[in-house]
Amino acid sequence: ELKVEQNPLFLSMQEGKNYTIYCNYSTTSDRLYWYRQDPGKSLESLFVLLSNGAVKQEGRLMASLDTKARLSTLHITAAVHDLSATYFCAVGETSGSRLTFGEGTQLTVNP
Amino acid sequence: KAGVTQTPRYLIKTRGQQVTLSCSPISGHRSVSWYQQTPGQGLQFLFEYFSETQRNKGNFPGRFSGRQFSNSRSEMNVSTLELGDSALYLCASALGGWRDTQYFGPGTRLTVL
Repeated sequence: ELKVEQNPLFLSMQEGKNYTIYCNYSTTSDRLYWYRQDPGKSLESLFVLLSNGAVKQEGRLMASLDTKARLSTLHITAAVHDLSATYFCAVGETSGSRLTFGEGTQLTVNP
Repeated sequence: KAGVTQTPRYLIKTRGQQVTLSCSPISGHRSVSWYQQTPGQGLQFLFEYFSETQRNKGNFPGRFSGRQFSNSRSEMNVSTLELGDSALYLCASALGGWRDTQYFGPGTRLTVL
């Protein structure tokens, strides 16, 4: 059974600082997604990573994938308050034909 | 392009009742997946439907069931509700299945009293 672990689960940071969220998974997968969820809202797709070494960037967020290490990172550059949300990684489970989500990282950016 | 819609948005039921939730996917999407989100268990996969057939099922009791219609709209049903069924139920649509990006609806917040 695929296990997906994110850390940290809670992250409080100051505006202007950089930080990284980590997503580890336990078995081979060929795709990984990052989603954002605002309080009381649904999930919004941010990135899909399909191959080893893939890197995607959008604004202050950059996601990368290392399939050999079974690790994805979501890097936040010069955080702003608008980035406050919960971020989920989701890993495609080939054998189970489904997505398995991490626990989520609740990010709070303080002025 | 209209997004995924779910109805109703909020529901309050009592233990033992049953409930039906509805999901309309993005036009052209044939895959609909359902997830349960709770603070304790996070996001858990319930099942996926494609072209009116259930292709995959998560680890939930038989009280949880679903179906998909020819227009790709989907419903999920929970019978004999338990307190632990209180959750946000999210529907996601995708073009062909789990290998495609899932687009999530706003969810139905179910409270069981």
